[in-house]
Formats: sequence, C-alpha cells, structure tokens
Amino acid sequence: AQSVTQLDSQVPVFEEAPVELRCNYSSSVSVYLFWYVQYPNQGLQLLLKYLSGSTLVKGINGFEAEFNKSQTSFHLRKPSVHISDTAEYFCAVSEAWNTGFQKLVFGTGTRLLVSP
Amino acid sequence: SQTIHQWPATLVQPVGSPLSLECTVEGTSNPNLYWYRQAAGRGLQLLFYSVGIGQISSEVPQNLSASRPQDRQFILSSKKLLLSDSGFYLCAWRTGTGPYEQYFGPGTRLTVT
Repeated sequence: AQSVTQLDSQVPVFEEAPVELRCNYSSSVSVYLFWYVQYPNQGLQLLLKYLSGSTLVKGINGFEAEFNKSQTSFHLRKPSVHISDTAEYFCAVSEAWNTGFQKLVFGTGTRLLVSP
Repeated sequence: SQTIHQWPATLVQPVGSPLSLECTVEGTSNPNLYWYRQAAGRGLQLLFYSVGIGQISSEVPQNLSASRPQDRQFILSSKKLLLSDSGFYLCAWRTGTGPYEQYFGPGTRLTVT
C-alpha cells in the first residue's frame, strides 16, 4: 500500500518569491506521482505527473517537481509565485506498472497563500 | 475531448433526507469512475470506485451507496443523510489503461442541516 505525507498544511509566501511545497511518499513498489491544484469550490486540476524518465518534471502555470527516489520525495517548486497561485495543492501516488485497477492515494494538501 | 459533469453544484438537505448526486462523463468509453469526499480542511477520501457498469467497490463503510447504471454515469446515494455527510463531493474518471491520472469534475457542495 502507498501513503503520502504533506507536512506543511499551509505555506505563506510573498508575491514573486520562490516556493517549495513538500511531498514524501511511502511504497514498497515503483510509483507514479502527481500534483493537483484546487481553487476554492472547484474540482482538482492536474499540474504535473511523473511516470518515468527524467526526474525533473515541468507542469502548467510555471510549476515543476523533482522526483527523488532515494529520499522518496516529489517536491513542487515555482521560482516566482503570483497572487493567482493561491490555492490548495495535493500530492498523489499510484502503483506503477499495475495492469489492473489503479487508485490514487492523496496527501492531506498544502494551502499556498500568496500575499502582495 | 472529454468532459465530466456533476450536479447539483450545491445542495442543502435536512438530516434524515435522501440524497442523489449524479456524475456523467462525455467523450470516452468504459472509464474507471470514482467518488471522493472532501471534508472541511481535510484531504480527499475515496468513497467508491467502478471499473464497469454495475461494478462498484466501496472503500469505507458508511450510509452512502453508489451505482453505475450506464457506462458513463455514476450516482452517489443515501437513504438517510447524517450531519457527518456534509462536505464537498468530487467525481473523477480515468481511462482503464492510461494515462494514469484522474480527471475531476467541478464538485457538489453538500450541507446537511
């Protein structure tokens, strides 16, 4: 079974500053990793995903994440945030190479608060 | 392109009343379908998933049930709502064989009074 830990429930940051949202996972098998963003009262939108290959993954809205297998981490970064990046961010993991039914396991989320 | 719909968008129901939330997906066939609940200030809890018509798996015991009467329709129901059923309900889909990410609907905000 997989699990995801997002240690930071809330991250305040000033506009145009860099940000890193942390995600650590636990799994006994290879995994796929995802970051989703949720704006207030909306569904989740996929930011980026890691399936295989390059460990640095670029996503939408200027976000990127790096897969670190030895540290079982998949931290999300953005070099310069905007007010519009204020939202809830979820890290998720699923079992890789599973030819059957797949489930996503989500972390508890990190609220990014960008202030001017 | 694929689209996922949920309705209603918001719902206020008294304790003990029935519930029916609907989710439909367009533009794909035989999707895997999911119901999640998001309580205030908490993450996503997987409630049900389905790999095909009439095939429902439950993740947590509760007074909710799910049905999949058609390939692209997923319904969440309850005979008697509890206060603890309040939350934001999200439907999601993914293809059966990949890509591996799930795509989410806009959600239904349920308040049980």
